[in-house]
Amino acid sequence: QFVLTQPNSVSTNLGGTVKLSCKRSTGNIGSNYVNWYQQHEGRSPTTLISRDDKRPDGVPDRFSGSIDRSSNSALLTIINVQTEDEADYFCQSYSSGIYIFGGGTKLTVL
Amino acid sequence: EVQLVESGGGLVQPGRSLKLSCAASGFPFSDYYMAWVRQAPTKGLEWVAYISAGGGGTYYRDSVKGRFTISRDNTKSTLYLQMDSLRSEDTATYYCTTIGIPWGQGVMVTVSS
Repeated sequence: QFVLTQPNSVSTNLGGTVKLSCKRSTGNIGSNYVNWYQQHEGRSPTTLISRDDKRPDGVPDRFSGSIDRSSNSALLTIINVQTEDEADYFCQSYSSGIYIFGGGTKLTVL
Repeated sequence: EVQLVESGGGLVQPGRSLKLSCAASGFPFSDYYMAWVRQAPTKGLEWVAYISAGGGGTYYRDSVKGRFTISRDNTKSTLYLQMDSLRSEDTATYYCTTIGIPWGQGVMVTVSS
């Protein structure tokens, strides 16, 4: 089965734009849906993006998901970054009934 | 209200058993596949087990195969995780989850003598 690799940490400026990557090791990134989760310190995860690019009700449109086939990666883009966006972000995909999580990226807002 | 509420966690000695429950409400539980995901302290998310909507299909991560059993009662809208032969490395917060439904608060399981 494949591995999803995320950078351990990313820093960005308040009000800026950041792209968090999730690179699939083998196989086509587009073969299985990718979901993105946000987790604040001490809290349960929340779903930011499902099925590559679908935003659940209540998630601000500052968050968007996409697939970059050239790098075999899923991307989470956050525009107009706010202080409350400082959190851990996890990508997740599937392989034959198995969930595969990335290691997570800690986003710091400067 | 759409929600998932986990229960049944606690402190247990290595080698002992524990059964987690997840009560679902506000959505058609029997139409959804379900999964258990855990998170050890200061670590990332780790998938544990999956069960199909009807309960006929189950999958487990290798480290829990033969020790954990996922099941569901669609008449009660409840998901279960029977955990036997617990090890210290099973210590984590356990969440039940499915696509499109908000995550619950999770339940802490501590395996220690």
